[in-house]
Amino acid sequence: DQQVKQNSPSLSVQEGRISILNCDYTNSMFDYFLWYKKYPAEGPTFLISISSIKDKNEDGRFTVFLNKSAKHLSLHIVPSQPGDSAVYFCAARSTNTGNQFYFGTGTSLTVIP
Amino acid sequence: GAVVSQHPSWVICKSGTSVKIECRSLDFQATTMFWYRQFPKQSLMLMATSNEGSKATYEQGVEKDKFLINHASLTLSTLTVTSAHPEDSSFYICSAEQYTYEQYFGPGTRLTVT
Repeated sequence: DQQVKQNSPSLSVQEGRISILNCDYTNSMFDYFLWYKKYPAEGPTFLISISSIKDKNEDGRFTVFLNKSAKHLSLHIVPSQPGDSAVYFCAARSTNTGNQFYFGTGTSLTVIP
Repeated sequence: GAVVSQHPSWVICKSGTSVKIECRSLDFQATTMFWYRQFPKQSLMLMATSNEGSKATYEQGVEKDKFLINHASLTLSTLTVTSAHPEDSSFYICSAEQYTYEQYFGPGTRLTVT
């Protein structure tokens, strides 16, 4: 059972515009969320995280929003750049039940120059 | 900082042989390392969690006798795929935890079993 879902397998955005990647989860015990960026045949690179005590975390062009009641988080990239083209995974964990991360299936972002 | 390396980056082996993959944290000590497996167009699936000096904790459905994990030091964990078969062909990724909740991933190892 997929506890973390990314329902959009791909997304195309024009350079300079905003990219919005969405992630939904089912486990209400999750209290820490992360976004990773991954290029083919490489390991994921940590982008940004958010704790469940917050609803927003911003780092440069990247902002993560968390809506606990909807069990939904999103990653906003503004402005989008061609170098942002990659697969983005969201991940979640429950700090009370161990170190296990649950990953979504990923969204492939293409930023068109 | 927070660099994790894996070796080899890719390996081809014959069915029935064993393959060892190394995961190293280069500039920090990692008390916990994780091993993931990624199938094409699928998510990363956690295989096991290893803590330095103790036995690894395997996720449900992962054969511990087939995927041997050793975490000998705070900077090195190894995954040995024993008696590899073609269905073991996959992309294996390790990660190391520096501080609580922050995991840094290695570049991955592509295993092809012929």
